[in-house]
Amino acid sequence: EAGVTQSPTHLIKTRGQQATLRCSPISGHTSVYWYQQALGLGLQFLLWYDEGEERNRGNFPPRFSGRQFPNYSSELNVNALELEDSALYLCASSSPGLADEQFFGPGTRLTVL
Amino acid sequence: DAKTTQPPSMDCAEGRAANLPCNHSTISGNEYVYWYRQIHSQGPQYIIHGLKNNETNEMASLIITEDRKSSTLILPHATLRDTAVYYCIVRVKKGGGSYIPTFGRGTSLIVHP
Repeated sequence: EAGVTQSPTHLIKTRGQQATLRCSPISGHTSVYWYQQALGLGLQFLLWYDEGEERNRGNFPPRFSGRQFPNYSSELNVNALELEDSALYLCASSSPGLADEQFFGPGTRLTVL
Repeated sequence: DAKTTQPPSMDCAEGRAANLPCNHSTISGNEYVYWYRQIHSQGPQYIIHGLKNNETNEMASLIITEDRKSSTLILPHATLRDTAVYYCIVRVKKGGGSYIPTFGRGTSLIVHP
C-alpha cells in the first residue's frame, strides 16, 4: 500500500512569491492535515480537511490557505512568502470515522530567499 | 488541546528499555494520549495511543497513570534505529470537539551502542 506522498520534495522561492504544495493521502483516507515545522521547532498545526471541507485551522495568517479535491488529495498555498515561511511542510492523512492515527508524508522543504 | 511537558533529551543503551515520560496535567476526560516519533529528515511516524488503560503494540507500550496526568512510552529493547524525536500529544479524536493537535518540541532520544 502506497503511503502519503508530497510534491515537490524541495521548493525554492523568493520573498513575495506564491508557493503551492501538494499532498496525496493513503488510498481510502478522507482526512488531510497540514503542519509546518520550522528548523529546530516542533510541528505546528496548519489546516485540517475532511471530505472536501476545511474543518479547522491553526494560528496562521490567511495567506496560508488550501483545499481538498474530490479525490481527497490536497493543496497548500502560501501567498506573499516571507523569509520565516522557510520550513518543512508535512502532510498527514487518516481514515474515515473517529480512528485518528495520522500517517505522515516525507514533507516538502520550502526555502524562501 | 491540553499541553504536554517532555524532557528535551534522553539517552539509552542499545538493548535496554527506553522509558520516555510525558506530563499532561490539564488533560480532559475525552482527550487521548498519542505518541509519534520523527527520525531525522523524515515525516513523523505514529506509535501508539490510549485513553486510560495501558496499551501495547508491536512497537511500544504506553502506561497511563490512574489520574491520567502523566504517561510513559516504553520501548522494551531499544535499537540504534530508535534514535529519534518522540512527541507526546493529547487531543480529542475527530468529532469530539475542538481539534488542534499540538506536537511541541518532543524528547530527543539517543540510543547508543
